[in-house]
Amino acid sequence: EAGVAQSPRYKIIEKRQSVAFWCNPISGHATLYWYQQILGQGPKLLIQFQNNGVVDDSQLPKDRFSAERLKGVDSTLKIQPAKLEDSAVYLCASSLGLRSGETQYFGPGTRLLVL
Amino acid sequence: AQSVAQPEDQVKVAEGNPLTVKCTYSVSGNPYLFWYVQYPNRGLQFLLKYITGDNLVKGSYGFEAEFNKSQTSFHLKKPSALVSDSALYFCAVIQGDTGFQKLVFGTGTRLLVSP
Repeated sequence: EAGVAQSPRYKIIEKRQSVAFWCNPISGHATLYWYQQILGQGPKLLIQFQNNGVVDDSQLPKDRFSAERLKGVDSTLKIQPAKLEDSAVYLCASSLGLRSGETQYFGPGTRLLVL
Repeated sequence: AQSVAQPEDQVKVAEGNPLTVKCTYSVSGNPYLFWYVQYPNRGLQFLLKYITGDNLVKGSYGFEAEFNKSQTSFHLKKPSALVSDSALYFCAVIQGDTGFQKLVFGTGTRLLVSP
C-alpha cells in the first residue's frame, strides 16, 4: 500500500515570504496530522484533523500558520509570512482513526529553510 | 502534561553486540508508548508500540521493547546490532484515556553501530 506522500521535499524561501506544503495520507485514513521538527528536537504536533474537521490546533501559531483538509483527504499547510525560526522539517502523518493507540504513519517530510 | 525523556543523545555499539536505547515517560493516566526510527532525509518509521497486555513488545527489524510501569520506562532493545541500524530513534507517548491521539516525542537518541 502507498505511504503518506508529501511535496515539495525541499523549499528555500526568504523571510516574510509565504510557502505551502501538501500532504496526501494513506488511503482510508481518517485522521491526519502535521508536525514540525526543528533540528535536534523531536517532532511537535501542530494540528490534527479528523476527516475535514480540526481536532486539535492548540500548538499552531495561528497568526502565521494555517491548514485545511477541505475534502477530508489531502491537506495543505501554509505559512504566511515566514520567519527565520520556521526553518524545520514539516512532517505529515495519518492514522486510521482517533482511537488512542492507533499507529501514526509518517511521510518523508518537507525540509524548509527560511533565509 | 505527558512527557518523554531520552537521557542519551548518542549510543555507540559494535556490530553483533546487544543494544539498548533508553526512554522514560511521565503521564497522569495509562500510557501508550511508541518507538520510531528516522533515517537521514526520511520521515519517521514505526517500529513498535505498547498499548496493553504483555510488557515485552516485539517490533520490526528484530527490535523489542519492555514496558516497566514501576520504573516508568520503555527501553528499546535488540540482541545483535547491525551497521544498518545506525539512525535516530524517537520514543513517544500518548496519554491513553484522553480520546486524543496527541503523540509527544522525546528529543531522540542517535545510534551508531560500528563494523
